[in-house]
Amino acid sequence: GQNIDQPTEMTATEGAIVQINCTYQTSGFNGLFWYQQHAGEAPTFLSYNVLDGLEEKGRFSSFLSRSKGYSYLLLKELQMKDSASYLCAVRDWNTGFQKLVFGTGTRLLVSP
Amino acid sequence: GAVVSQHPSRVICKSGTSVKIECRSLDFQATTMFWYRQFPKQSLMLMATSNEGSKATYEQGVEKDKFLINHASLTLSTLTVTSAHPEDSSFYICSARDGGNSPLHFGNGTRLTVT
Repeated sequence: GQNIDQPTEMTATEGAIVQINCTYQTSGFNGLFWYQQHAGEAPTFLSYNVLDGLEEKGRFSSFLSRSKGYSYLLLKELQMKDSASYLCAVRDWNTGFQKLVFGTGTRLLVSP
Repeated sequence: GAVVSQHPSRVICKSGTSVKIECRSLDFQATTMFWYRQFPKQSLMLMATSNEGSKATYEQGVEKDKFLINHASLTLSTLTVTSAHPEDSSFYICSARDGGNSPLHFGNGTRLTVT
């Protein structure tokens, strides 16, 4: 199976930059996803990496190193509305249906 | 973009009763849908994979007879929590993708409270 780890909580200041790390172990890696989830709501898709390197999308960037089993989500110019949980999820070829397994999630609190 | 609709958004039921949750893909066909459960301040835990026209695949530790899944069409999957107990109170979320490599799209979730 997969083993996906993220820090439990992080705090940052409005306007700053924060990096949320994710490490994983899987036998049939087929992509890593980042989702944002506000309390009581469903997750929303942020980014997807399947090859090594950096994917940039506005204020959000995600990096992947397959050899290290490591990814990070970088949030720039933090806003109060970015306070949410950030979920790292890995897709695995070996599961047949390409299901997504989620990490523990990182709760980010952005303060003024 | 792909939209997944889930109903109801909230339900309160008495212990011992059954609750059905519906998950629909509104603008695409989904041969596979996924059901997740999320307890407070925890991440999403995959319960089962729902396959159109065949039996669902359950994750280890999830009781098949308690969480009945029916995927009768390419746009609808249902999860029935049978003989619900207070410990089944949770946030249930369904998801689907509209292509092999596209990201999962989630329904808005169902908050189940069993009294």
